[in-house]
Amino acid sequence: GEDVEQSLFLSVREGDSSVINCTYTDSSSTYLYWYKQEPGAGLQLLTYIFSNMDMKQDQRLTVLLNKKDKHLSLRIADTQTGDSAIYFCARGETSYDKVIFGPGTSLSVIP
Amino acid sequence: GAVVSQHPSWVICKSGTSVKIECRSLDFQATTMFWYRQFPKQSLMLMATSNEGSKATYEQGVEKDKFLINHASLTLSTLTVTSAHPEDSSFYICSARVPGQGYEQYFGPGTRLTVT
Repeated sequence: GEDVEQSLFLSVREGDSSVINCTYTDSSSTYLYWYKQEPGAGLQLLTYIFSNMDMKQDQRLTVLLNKKDKHLSLRIADTQTGDSAIYFCARGETSYDKVIFGPGTSLSVIP
Repeated sequence: GAVVSQHPSWVICKSGTSVKIECRSLDFQATTMFWYRQFPKQSLMLMATSNEGSKATYEQGVEKDKFLINHASLTLSTLTVTSAHPEDSSFYICSARVPGQGYEQYFGPGTRLTVT
């Protein structure tokens, strides 16, 4: 996943908003994903955004895409302790293509 | 929802032996499955794309003779780690797409392989 970059750690207080950032290098990325991995569990797709969109909101989650800068962010509003997990940014060129993952951001929520 | 299972969930084997890991789509048919490897506290590295009825497509740097992939049916793909060595110890994860819902991959729970 060397062409998808993320900060490795983020710590926030419960109730605050969390913002996880991601950058990618391949401009042919059509699909951009956010996955969540809880300890000892498999990956869960949180949300995705098409490259022709700027923003997508789904309940507490807001995804922002700056295609010009190849920058993607995931904002979690009112962060809860249950949100503590590793969040992976990922990209794909088509809906049927392989998905390339970033290194993951470990989110710690402080009660 | 779509469910992907893996078996075994963990396995310990001796150096030099071979280990087979199964990936099954339980409630849908998957023409394409993906195999990933995840080292502790690291990202998922795509190893290969498994296509039903044809040869797998391996990523650069992945030894196809060491990591044998067989996708013999629409619900089962297997990964065999041959002549395992301690450096093959890792967490192996498979995923599959539901036909017609191409954008989402459903992941299995993973298999922890430890080679002693």
